Amino acid sequence: AQKITQTQPGMFVQEKEAVTLDCTYDTSDPSYGLFWYKQPSSGEMIFLIYQGSYDQQNATEGRYSLNFQKARKSANLVISASQLGDSAMYFCAMSPIYSSASKIIFGSGTRLSIRP
Amino acid sequence: DGGITQSPKYLFRKEGQNVTLSCEQNLNHDAMYWYRQDPGQGLRLIYYSQIVNDFQKGDIAEGYSVSREKKESFPLTVTSAQKNPTAFYLCASSLGGSLAKNIQYFGAGTRLSVL
Repeated sequence: AQKITQTQPGMFVQEKEAVTLDCTYDTSDPSYGLFWYKQPSSGEMIFLIYQGSYDQQNATEGRYSLNFQKARKSANLVISASQLGDSAMYFCAMSPIYSSASKIIFGSGTRLSIRP
Repeated sequence: DGGITQSPKYLFRKEGQNVTLSCEQNLNHDAMYWYRQDPGQGLRLIYYSQIVNDFQKGDIAEGYSVSREKKESFPLTVTSAQKNPTAFYLCASSLGGSLAKNIQYFGAGTRLSVL
């Protein structure tokens, strides 16, 4: 069965510092995608970054990077130079690819708070 | 602008009443999804549709119904059989297909409360 685990319910970080949000996963699918979403207090889920299990390099999108360690089944999100606007819930998610199934499994989330 | 529109933003349901949440997308995506989010929780899949006129139950489909008559629209009906409907409902869409990355894009959500 597929499972996403986020072990940090909440984190506090000083503005301008880097922060790592942890995510581990379990799946029997040979090919899969890993995602991170941001959910501010308004509620909308904002897609941040994607990593394919077959990708050789870690994904990066601006200040976001994904530290993908396939052997350890981890896909941690790194936010560099944090900003006050980064305060939000962050969800890790996973989906099979190259498959007719397109369901995404979400973790329970980490609430990130940035201190000025 | 391309995106996903959910309406209404807030909805109140009386006991025994069915209510319908709207979700429209102009991204030309094949797949659409409905999720429920309870306070402090992650997302749980209610229903999803990979093509027009076809949909599948997710993990918590009981008390809900959907239709997919048009590619752009995927309305969710919360029936009177759903005894605890108070939650935040999110609609999403993705390109779909076996070669797609399955990146899902979300609407702004509908907050449903029971009167």
